[in-house]
Amino acid sequence: NAGVTQTPKFRVLKTGQSMTLLCAQDMNHEYMYWYRQDPGMGLRLIHYSVGEGTTAKGEVPDGYNVSRLKKQNFLLGLESAAPSQTSVYFCASRKSGNGQETQYFGPGTRLLVL
Amino acid sequence: GQSLEQPSEVTAVEGAIVQINCTYQTSGFYGLSWYQQHDGGAPTFLSYNALDGLEETGRFSSFLSRSDSYGYLLLQELQMKDSASYFCAVRDPDSWGKLQFGAGTQVVVTP
Repeated sequence: NAGVTQTPKFRVLKTGQSMTLLCAQDMNHEYMYWYRQDPGMGLRLIHYSVGEGTTAKGEVPDGYNVSRLKKQNFLLGLESAAPSQTSVYFCASRKSGNGQETQYFGPGTRLLVL
Repeated sequence: GQSLEQPSEVTAVEGAIVQINCTYQTSGFYGLSWYQQHDGGAPTFLSYNALDGLEETGRFSSFLSRSDSYGYLLLQELQMKDSASYFCAVRDPDSWGKLQFGAGTQVVVTP
């Protein structure tokens, strides 16, 4: 099992460019999440999905879009990147059901917007 | 508003015991989780408390008092590999498992 994987690992964008971050999990988890982490701060939830074809906004959704066309994949898109979106992006997944409290995180994508 | 407070940094020597406190003010509460993150790495799950009391997992224990909106993570017999950031996170009361994280506590273990 690879667990949760993210691509790319690192990317540099110019302001206004677009890109898609890919998250994949092989644990058959229903729930998936995208977070961003900035220096000295905890993780903040951008968007999440509770199943294939469903997405919802988290705490800081502005400037991002997501899609979950397949259960194992959760895509995060930046349509027009801004320097404020420079951050480390983590994807996580979790099994549904009571008692399933563990979120499993990917290794992160480091994004620099110039 | 919603907030979680935890100390920014704690330093201790190998073999010592460290307690990381977390107080929270949130509009809803279902449980409190703790995650560990080494520099540059992915956060990893340590523990979860839904009910008042102490949960023990090896050298790590976690405590929750719902009436005081307070919890802590206890790290015993500190090892150098325990140098990392530790985050408390409140789980939303809905069914989707959303977490709100604190800013993290950096634990520095010295020889």
